[in-house]
Amino acid sequence: DAGVIQSPRHEVTEMGQEVTLRCKPISGHNSLFWYRQTMMRGLELLIYFNNNVPIDDSGMPEDRFSAKMPNASFSTLKIQPSEPRDSAVYFCASSSGLPQETQYFGPGTRLLVL
Amino acid sequence: AQSVAQPEDQVNVAEGNPLTVKCTYSVSGNPYLFWYVQYPNRGLQFLLKYITGDNLVKGSYGFEAEFNKSQTSFHLKKPSALVSDSALYFCAVRDMLGGNKLVFGAGTILRVKS
Repeated sequence: DAGVIQSPRHEVTEMGQEVTLRCKPISGHNSLFWYRQTMMRGLELLIYFNNNVPIDDSGMPEDRFSAKMPNASFSTLKIQPSEPRDSAVYFCASSSGLPQETQYFGPGTRLLVL
Repeated sequence: AQSVAQPEDQVNVAEGNPLTVKCTYSVSGNPYLFWYVQYPNRGLQFLLKYITGDNLVKGSYGFEAEFNKSQTSFHLKKPSALVSDSALYFCAVRDMLGGNKLVFGAGTILRVKS
């Protein structure tokens, strides 16, 4: 299996622009997680989906952030408009959905907002 | 509420010596416990997990961890450290009653010197 796939791997954009991050989970996994990692705040869970349905979005910073999962093999995290404080590494992870199962992480998208 | 504490920001050890990276947790039910490792500019890689059964869990790359319910700890250990073990290590916990959400510690930097 190719593992969790994220694109782009790096993104540099200017403040105010829209940013879309993409994730393809491991085939057969039905839970998907979006995390953000910064030096100041560490690893934060933004949102997670079970069977394409958002279950907990309490970690989404504000209305500028939105996430969708239109089908079992694709999810997006969108930031509109982007701000310099959004600069971070964004990880997607997936699991089979059972609590004892392991979450497997993608390589991350490094976002820099100028 | 679930929480994880990694009391050491950094652990330094000489190559060939045993290493321990500490983790304590708090959950309301029985825990599922995980260790991940992150190398520079990479995603998190799963090392090992405790679900039930034997308190000593063996994982990848020669790592092991001991679940101690009375001390609510899940310390990561390795008998003989390698320079290549130098990385950022995360402990995470999931409450059996808390759905699929994993709570991560702040991470511990392990530096192994030759």
